[in-house]
Amino acid sequence: EDQVTQSPEALRLQEGESSSLNCSYTVSGLRGLFWYRQDPGKGPEFLFTLYSAGEEKEKERLKATLTKKESFLHITAPKPEDSATYLCAVQARSGGGADGLTFGKGTHLIIQP
Amino acid sequence: NAGVTQTPKFQVLKTGQSMTLQCAQDMNHNSMYWYRQDPGMGLRLIYYSASEGTTDKGEVPNGYNVSRLNKREFSLRLESAAPSQTSVYFCASSEIVGTRGYTFGSGTRLTVV
Repeated sequence: EDQVTQSPEALRLQEGESSSLNCSYTVSGLRGLFWYRQDPGKGPEFLFTLYSAGEEKEKERLKATLTKKESFLHITAPKPEDSATYLCAVQARSGGGADGLTFGKGTHLIIQP
Repeated sequence: NAGVTQTPKFQVLKTGQSMTLQCAQDMNHNSMYWYRQDPGMGLRLIYYSASEGTTDKGEVPNGYNVSRLNKREFSLRLESAAPSQTSVYFCASSEIVGTRGYTFGSGTRLTVV
């Protein structure tokens, strides 16, 4: 069974204070690892897809990295508008059964001015 | 604007009532999905449709039925609502999984009393 564990559950930072969110996963052959941002009352919004260990993707103040067991979402010099819940999800290269993503429970990030 | 549209946004049902949640996408995506999101549980896959004319069960299909009406539309039906089905429901769509990820709708907040 595919599993995704995100830590911490919640994180409060000061504006400009860099940090990292963790996503640990177990999957029977990784097809892709996804990061999403979710604002209150809205659906998740796609950020990144990572396919293989060593891969990195960047977007503004966010950088996602991937190893064989975990992914990190690094947030550099965050601003209050970066406050959101960040979700990690994996898709297995199973070829059968459910084709949907398996999501972690998310990290609720608050950036204080 | 291109995207995934869900209706209704809010609904209150009495136990035993039935209803259909509607979802439509205008991005010409092949695959569509229904998820539910509950506090402390994360997003869980209910049903998915890899292509027009096909549907498959996800992690939590009991109590639900789906219909892929055409390439654009994918509906979720609750035949006899139960309080355990109180949740936020998200529809999503994707083209080639593993590239741009999923595009989510804004959700339907359902309360069963």
